[in-house]
Amino acid sequence: DSGVTQTPKHLITATGQRVTLRCSPRSGDLSVYWYQQSLDQGLQFLIQYYNGEERAKGNILERFSAQQFPDLHSELNLSSLELGDSALYFCASSVVGSGGEQFFGPGTRLTVL
Amino acid sequence: LAKTTQPISMDSYEGQEVNITCSHNNIATNDYITWYQQFPSQGPRFIIQGYKTKVTNEVASLFIPADRKSSTLSLPRVSLSDTAVYYCLVGLKTSYDKVIFGPGTSLSVIP
Repeated sequence: DSGVTQTPKHLITATGQRVTLRCSPRSGDLSVYWYQQSLDQGLQFLIQYYNGEERAKGNILERFSAQQFPDLHSELNLSSLELGDSALYFCASSVVGSGGEQFFGPGTRLTVL
Repeated sequence: LAKTTQPISMDSYEGQEVNITCSHNNIATNDYITWYQQFPSQGPRFIIQGYKTKVTNEVASLFIPADRKSSTLSLPRVSLSDTAVYYCLVGLKTSYDKVIFGPGTSLSVIP
């Protein structure tokens, strides 16, 4: 158990819908990262927050947005969903930056039908 | 984070030592080298991290030559449960840069 929690574990929805994925980092970790992993794309970095502020952005689509709240939990919002958004979404946390040890959550499996 | 290159796949028999090498020619002075392991449908798990020479923990060893342009993850006496994808990352511990997990090395352990 990494100490990072993600909800829900599974999510099935239809194209065009909007969903919110939630992540609670390890106690004491200020950085939160979101990754997308689909079969044909590997582990893709989406975005990083540190203590509530966005710090780094990867190939995150404009239909996706995220935020980190004062209690340090984070949410990833995915809207206008397409079939290609079906993937595993992982959240990770670390004490400081991305070059240090990141602790990954169990992931949310999103299926868009 | 610096770009890294690893073999795409490797096979090994149970009980053998496995060495996975990662090239990182553009490693910066203060960069650390970190290895992760990922099983299917699970998040990556930290294995080991080092800066220079050799680091060993209960799971693996990490060998880093003096020029630091490459590193080798060594898994002693692998078992079937070591079948996984192994990723090498290079960067500052305090980096807030884009994180790049390459395709990693898919290790298959054969009975």
